[in-house]
Amino acid sequence: AQSVTQLGSHVSVSEGALVLLRCNYSSSVPPYLFWYVQYPNQGLQLLLKYTSAATLVKGINGFEAEFKKSETSFHLTKPSAHMSDAAEYFCAVSDRNTGNQFYFGTGTSLTVIP
Amino acid sequence: EAGVAQSPRYKIIEKRQSVAFWCNPISGHATLYWYQQILGQGPKLLIQFQNNGVVDDSQLPKDRFSAERLKGVDSTLKIQPAKLEDSAVYLCASSPFGSPNNEQFFGPGTRLTVL
Repeated sequence: AQSVTQLGSHVSVSEGALVLLRCNYSSSVPPYLFWYVQYPNQGLQLLLKYTSAATLVKGINGFEAEFKKSETSFHLTKPSAHMSDAAEYFCAVSDRNTGNQFYFGTGTSLTVIP
Repeated sequence: EAGVAQSPRYKIIEKRQSVAFWCNPISGHATLYWYQQILGQGPKLLIQFQNNGVVDDSQLPKDRFSAERLKGVDSTLKIQPAKLEDSAVYLCASSPFGSPNNEQFFGPGTRLTVL
């Protein structure tokens, strides 16, 4: 079965600083990978996804993520944090071979300090 | 395009009571999912429908949870009787086709509090 590890349940950055949210997966076959954002009292919104095209994926709101097979990682970055980026971020994987069940990480809460 | 609709948004019940949640997916989306998101955790899949058939319900506590999607469109998730540990946000999602790389579109969720 797939599993996802998000290191750091809480991350704080200053406004304008680099955002780095970590995600590692366990799979012998590179899966499909997703980052979702969840604002308070809302559902999940897709930020970006990796589906075996370019390893550097650009998403909405200035976020991007790089798939690194050797490190089984798919870390999310943004060069300059904005106050509106404060939210919960979830990494998810979907197994290419067994269907489209998503396995989510436990989430990382991002705080942006003015 | 309208998104995934869920109701109610909030529900408070006492333990041993029953509760039902409703979800209307994006028009034309064949696959519908129900997730349970406990505070501080990621969403966990409860059940997946393809049209009106169940694809995966391996993590659904069938002694108290049930779900149906009779006409292959909207769906209802029921808990009877509720326990304290059922307090969570219940998310509904849909996708246009049952392939692994398809984005799942999520509704706003129903926050259930069991007292």
